[in-house]
Amino acid sequence: DTGVSQDPRHKITKRGQNVTFRCDPISEHNRLYWYRQTLGQGPEFLTYFQNEAQLEKSRLLSDRFSAERPKGSFSTLEIQRTEQGDSAMYLCASSPKTGSTEAFFGQGTRLTVV
Amino acid sequence: AQRVTQPEKLLSVFKGAPVELKCNYSYSGSPELFWYVQYSRQRLQLLLRHISRESIKGFTADLNKGETSFHLKKPFAQEEDSAMYYCALSLSTSYDKVIFGPGTSLSVIP
Repeated sequence: DTGVSQDPRHKITKRGQNVTFRCDPISEHNRLYWYRQTLGQGPEFLTYFQNEAQLEKSRLLSDRFSAERPKGSFSTLEIQRTEQGDSAMYLCASSPKTGSTEAFFGQGTRLTVV
Repeated sequence: AQRVTQPEKLLSVFKGAPVELKCNYSYSGSPELFWYVQYSRQRLQLLLRHISRESIKGFTADLNKGETSFHLKKPFAQEEDSAMYYCALSLSTSYDKVIFGPGTSLSVIP
C-alpha cells in the first residue's frame, strides 16, 4: 500500500499516560496535516507541516499536544497526560507541493482514554 | 472566520431518486471547494473538486459564489452511494489549510 499509513490503528490508554502516533505520508508529498475527528463531526484541523517546518497549530492543540516532522518525511503526534476528552480518531493526510490541494488521508489512529 | 456548514446530518433517498447534499461556506477570499467521501470501513477520499468541473460517479457540484454554496448532486442515486460525505474548503493562503464540514450521512434505500 503506497498510501498514507498510520500506526497504531487503535490505542487504548489510561488517563494520564502519554501516547505517540506515527504517520508516514506518501513519498514526495511535502505537506502533512493532522486532524482530529470525534463522533458525528468532520475532521478538525490540528496542525500542518511543510517539509519539516510546522507552519500552523490550531488553538484546539493544547500544550499537552506536540507534533514533529524531523526530516520532512514521517511525522509523530504526541499527547501527554491524556484526558478522556482526547478520545477521538486522529487522522493524518498529505498532499503534493504543486497542483490542487487534494489531501490523501490515512486510515487514522483511534484513541480511547479510559 | 472560515466555516463550512452542511445542514443535513442524515439524508435518506430511494434508489433511482435524485439526491442533493447541501453545503454552504463562509470565506472572504477565493476558495477552493471539495467533496470528500468515506465509505464504510474505508479511508476518507476525495470525490471531486470545483476547479475540475468534472462528474465523478455521476456526482456533480457547482460553486455558487453569490450564495456561497457548493451543493453535491446526482440525478439517480445508487445503493453504493451510501456513505458519509464531507464538504471541504481550502483557504487561498500560502499553505492551503483544508476545513471540513460536519458531514452528511447518505443512505440509499433499495
